[in-house]
Amino acid sequence: DQQVKQNSPSLSVQEGRISILNCDYTNSMFDYFLWYKKYPAEGPTFLISISSIKDKNEDGRFTVFLNKSAKHLSLHIVPSQPGDSAVYFCAASSTGTASKLTFGTGTRLQVTL
Amino acid sequence: DTAVSQTPKYLVTQMGNDKSIKCEQNLGHDTMYWYKQDSKKFLKIMFSYNNKELIINETVPNRFSPKSPDKAHLNLHINSLELGDSAVYFCASSSTAKGAGAQPQHFGDGTRLSIL
Repeated sequence: DQQVKQNSPSLSVQEGRISILNCDYTNSMFDYFLWYKKYPAEGPTFLISISSIKDKNEDGRFTVFLNKSAKHLSLHIVPSQPGDSAVYFCAASSTGTASKLTFGTGTRLQVTL
Repeated sequence: DTAVSQTPKYLVTQMGNDKSIKCEQNLGHDTMYWYKQDSKKFLKIMFSYNNKELIINETVPNRFSPKSPDKAHLNLHINSLELGDSAVYFCASSSTAKGAGAQPQHFGDGTRLSIL
């Protein structure tokens, strides 16, 4: 039973344009959401997070939007750069579960020149 | 100055052997984790330790035994290795200090375990 889903296994975007990565979850107890970026042969690197009390969090080129009623979050990267090409994982946790992260299956982003 | 470091990076061994993976973090975090990424690239929690105490054990076979000698280290010992244990194992750490709110986990670069 996959509680965090990333339905697009891959996404290709031109350099300078906006990349939008999507994530859906089913567990209404989740109250903290994160995005990680992963390069081959490296561990996931934390990008940005959002608490369920907010609907938007921004950090430079990265913005995460949370729609609690739809149980949906998205990561916007603008402008996209070739160095953004990686696999992006969405993750979620709930208070009281000792910070256990539940991950999605990832979306491979390719930023083309 | 690596924040979360795992050794070895690659581990190739035969079925039935016993092996260990070591993890160390220098971030001053009080909680450490082991995750397994399987062939479908799905990352799943295995164990978590907070201040050397086991707090998460996700129905992992008891051939897997984590050991935390101190807050900065969490090692994973695997007995009687099976073909299905082939995967990438990631160590992570985070701070769970009260009042700090939810904090992100920081990951090591993984140990790729291949069972022949």
